[in-house]
Amino acid sequence: KAGVTQTPRYLIKTRGQQVTLSCSPISGHRSVSWYQQTPGQGLQFLFEYFSETQRNKGNFPGRFSGRQFSNSRSEMNVSTLELGDSALYLCASSLEDRAGNTIYFGEGSWLTVV
Amino acid sequence: DAKTTQPTSMDCAEGRAANLPCNHSTINGNEYVYWYRQIHSQGPQYIIHGLKNNETNEMASLIITEDRKSSTLILPHATLRDTAVYYCIVRVGLRGAQKLVFGQGTRLTINP
Repeated sequence: KAGVTQTPRYLIKTRGQQVTLSCSPISGHRSVSWYQQTPGQGLQFLFEYFSETQRNKGNFPGRFSGRQFSNSRSEMNVSTLELGDSALYLCASSLEDRAGNTIYFGEGSWLTVV
Repeated sequence: DAKTTQPTSMDCAEGRAANLPCNHSTINGNEYVYWYRQIHSQGPQYIIHGLKNNETNEMASLIITEDRKSSTLILPHATLRDTAVYYCIVRVGLRGAQKLVFGQGTRLTINP
């Protein structure tokens, strides 16, 4: 069974540009969440989608957005990139909306903003 | 904010049991304790989780105190590949709560 798949794995962007990252959850998983990891702030929750609806959102500016498609695949977008957006972006998925379930992470997308 | 306290770093000899403590004194009755680990530059790997009872799987054992204010993750026979940052997370067990709040974790180093 394939795990959570994220693309691209590595990318370099210039300040002011925008970027779109993609995530394919484990088959059957309907919840997809996104995290940002930086050396200074650690792992921080960005947002979570379930059945194409955003249910939770972390404390990030509006430049960070996401969406989920009917097949549960998700994308996140960062507009007007800043140097501080350089980070590992992680996608996670879970099987169903219930207590005590397991959340599985992908390998992440490394974004460098220059 | 993370609701757990973990030592910043620990060392363990290869082949010995690694015991990683976690304090979660403010845990609520419907909150689960989860453990993940992250090897450098990879996504966090799920290890184990529990609510009240001790749990064991092929990777580790989770011992939760009776008052649930602390827990210990046990890697029974540590190998060099277990060197990683280990995160103890308290997560509310409600529908819709798919959010994990990570602290700084424990950097575990397995020495040959």
